[in-house]
Amino acid sequence: DVKVTQSSRYLVKRTGEKVFLECVQDMDHENMFWYRQDPGLGLRLIYFSYDVKMKEKGDIPEGYSVSREKKERFSLILESASTNQTSMYLCASSSGLGNTEAFFGQGTRLTVV
Amino acid sequence: EDKVVQSPLSLVVHEGDTVTLNCSYEVTNFRSLLWYKQEKKAPTFLFMLTSSGIEKKSGRLSSILDKKELFSILNITATQTGDSAIYLCAVLNQAGTALIFGKGTTLSVSS
Repeated sequence: DVKVTQSSRYLVKRTGEKVFLECVQDMDHENMFWYRQDPGLGLRLIYFSYDVKMKEKGDIPEGYSVSREKKERFSLILESASTNQTSMYLCASSSGLGNTEAFFGQGTRLTVV
Repeated sequence: EDKVVQSPLSLVVHEGDTVTLNCSYEVTNFRSLLWYKQEKKAPTFLFMLTSSGIEKKSGRLSSILDKKELFSILNITATQTGDSAIYLCAVLNQAGTALIFGKGTTLSVSS
């Protein structure tokens, strides 16, 4: 059974804290994505990575950074959390080859207080 | 700029109604169009469409793609309250490096 796993379902952090969201996939996918989802705004791409140590900014990268040291793991980092980063964060992965869909993790609901 | 536009953004129907959700797209090097259903958690996969005119069907849900006109529809017949969800349309490019979502259609089915 294929899997994308996010490290936490729910997180509560204080303003100014450094926050790490982890995502691990076991499908040997080349491509991994981080989105945030807010009511009325849909899924917005923060960053994606198409290979180890490679990353590209998405539509809303400000206030975030990412790390991909190993193919299976893609981490999203909030350097100094702010209340406007309260959101649902979704990780996804896709294969660079073949015709398969993209797979999602279960989501992390982050609240910054 | 690559984009995916869904309509309507929200829809309220009665149980038993049939609904059609729309998704239009513009993307460079199209590979596939994906439909997902999202309840109070991560999106779950419904359909992947790669070829025009071939209907995909699963129970009361069906979907079709028109690559000439760059759109897809998702039909749900005999709706049930359990169909209430956000329906997301996404387009994937050839390399799999662009996965672009529409804003979703929020469907509410009342009993």
